[in-house]
Amino acid sequence: QKEVEQDPGPLSVPEGAIVSLNCTYSNSAFQYFMWYRQYSRKGPELLMYTYSSGNKEDGRFTAQVDKSSKYISLFIRDSQPSDSATYLCALVPSGTYKYIFGTGTRLKVLA
Amino acid sequence: GAVVSQHPSWVICKSGTSVKIECRSLDFQATTMFWYRQFPKQSLMLMATSNEGSKATYEQGVEKDKFLINHASLTLSTLTVTSAHPEDSSFYICSARDPLASTYEQYFGPGTRLTVT
Repeated sequence: QKEVEQDPGPLSVPEGAIVSLNCTYSNSAFQYFMWYRQYSRKGPELLMYTYSSGNKEDGRFTAQVDKSSKYISLFIRDSQPSDSATYLCALVPSGTYKYIFGTGTRLKVLA
Repeated sequence: GAVVSQHPSWVICKSGTSVKIECRSLDFQATTMFWYRQFPKQSLMLMATSNEGSKATYEQGVEKDKFLINHASLTLSTLTVTSAHPEDSSFYICSARDPLASTYEQYFGPGTRLTVT
């Protein structure tokens, strides 16, 4: 069993839809939870991070963490074609700065 | 914001040769840099953690004699793929952490595409 599970997609949605991206994990030692966006053949860029259970909102993006269920989500509201990319969750165990990445979910927003 | 650059962005080399990839933090000093490898449609796999002034720490299964890492200054880490073979063809990405930042954020470079023929 992988430490971090993420559906690879691809996920296709119409423009304006609400997108839900998810990761599950097995290790309760994970302390920080990050979401990165990666365009094709580019390096990842940070969208959001959080370290506690609950919701965190930034513009059209909302990150949600449920530590009891070991489940994290990223919601994108009013999705745009420019949101088409691969979305990676990255989890950080306590006591380290190392990232454990999910496999990434490829998202395509159709105009 | 913090910027990390990589050079070259794309390199083709012949099997058996070595190739060096540079990773630079442009506007901050990075005591720790990370090297990842990403195969097509797969996630980033951490290869090694590079610490300035000391030996790199390699992840299990990564050959340290094949992937030489040098972190000689606070703004530069290099990855040398020695005796490259076609199976080493991949997308190599580095990241750096700003020790003065209060978050766990890593700043990623744009990646280097290596093709071994």
